Amino acid sequence: AQRVTQPEKLLSVFKGAPVELKCNYSYSGSPELFWYVQYSRQRLQLLLRHISRESIKGFTADLNKGETSFHLKKPFAQEEDSAMYYCALIYGNQFYFGTGTSLTVIP
Amino acid sequence: DTAVSQTPKYLVTQMGNDKSIKCEQNLGHDTMYWYKQDSKKFLKIMFSYNNKELIINETVPNRFSPKSPDKAHLNLHINSLELGDSAVYFCASSQTNNSPLHFGNGTRLTVT
Repeated sequence: AQRVTQPEKLLSVFKGAPVELKCNYSYSGSPELFWYVQYSRQRLQLLLRHISRESIKGFTADLNKGETSFHLKKPFAQEEDSAMYYCALIYGNQFYFGTGTSLTVIP
Repeated sequence: DTAVSQTPKYLVTQMGNDKSIKCEQNLGHDTMYWYKQDSKKFLKIMFSYNNKELIINETVPNRFSPKSPDKAHLNLHINSLELGDSAVYFCASSQTNNSPLHFGNGTRLTVT
């Protein structure tokens, strides 16, 4: 069963524009959600964890249980934000990743 | 002092061969994983393993087998390689089953 959905495979925004990468999940309990980022040909790195409620590199993500969403947002996109972003959920002691969204920030 | 290291970084081999990818973590984590990232960038878990339990994704062919000589290592053996095995394989580790994953740099496997 699909537990994490990232509806946008590709997303392009202009530098300085706001960006939102969508993530929806299906899980009946209290989910633990993450965002991972993968810069070109590099390892996946943890960007955000919902329980931390931090802002990393200007990104934030709020868990909306009503909408079962955990969208990633940044008010002003930078060129260095161009990367692959994965939303992930822990369920049954296993990580489940979404299909990823490739973000391109146009100069 | 890389936390999760994989070797080799690149692996090019012919169909039918047997190959191994090594992974080591120096974080003292209890659980290690192998993930496959295909050409469409889809990331799928293959195995998770701690010193108590091996969990296998049922979609993984039995040509793939993890081998863990100790808690810090989880190697991936692949027998009778096929063209469809071409992908980037990522090793990862976590402190517990519910902790964030720390990934290695990946091994880009190309089967010709």
